[in-house]
Amino acid sequence: QSALTQPASVSGSPGQSITISCTGTSSDIGGYNYVSWYQQHPGKAPKLILYEVSNRPSGISIRFSASKSGNTASLTISGLQAEDEADYYCCSYVNNGRHWLFGGGTKVTVL
Amino acid sequence: EVQLVESGGGLVQPGGSLRLSCAASGLTFGSLWMSWVRQAPGKGLEWVANIKEDGSETYLTDSLRGRFTISRDNAQNSLYLQMSSLRAEDTAVYYCATHHGFRFDYWGQGVLVTVSS
Repeated sequence: QSALTQPASVSGSPGQSITISCTGTSSDIGGYNYVSWYQQHPGKAPKLILYEVSNRPSGISIRFSASKSGNTASLTISGLQAEDEADYYCCSYVNNGRHWLFGGGTKVTVL
Repeated sequence: EVQLVESGGGLVQPGGSLRLSCAASGLTFGSLWMSWVRQAPGKGLEWVANIKEDGSETYLTDSLRGRFTISRDNAQNSLYLQMSSLRAEDTAVYYCATHHGFRFDYWGQGVLVTVSS
């Protein structure tokens, strides 16, 4: 199964908002509200920042929000900060026996 | 504090085998699904396998079926990934991660597996 589709890179200036899309199919994103997002800084392990489409774990900034429409999920980072520069991955449950599918990742650059 | 510590990585020749371990602490290991996720150098994340709390169910990504096996020992708070017939394309950092519901909550620091002659 192919990875979910994310843009390779997105950039923005400090204080701006950016949105990262994640496109799948009716067998994954479109079929379940089990989309999660992960932030990964270079050389570090991924970190959960949003789950079940739009829920934030404890300690995650409210600047991170997400939504889903049809087969596409979206992550928005508001008030962009230098520390937000990282790779971001979406992930969805797949209708194939507790399988999971990640997106290809999006590199966020703060200009 | 939740800690997941992977070990067992290293350099292995093509066709060889390797067993990765993940030692968990600070959580109720036996009540959590667990997964392995890998990341090839410079590439994205790829889910590899997961296992139910009691080990009675396991799932593996289709492309690895027959070569990799996931298992666990709840008495030792440990997760394992047995890898065989290794190929160059299996070179990656392998992470263990916990499941809480439908998300990967906690991740280890990862262990590097290099398949090369």
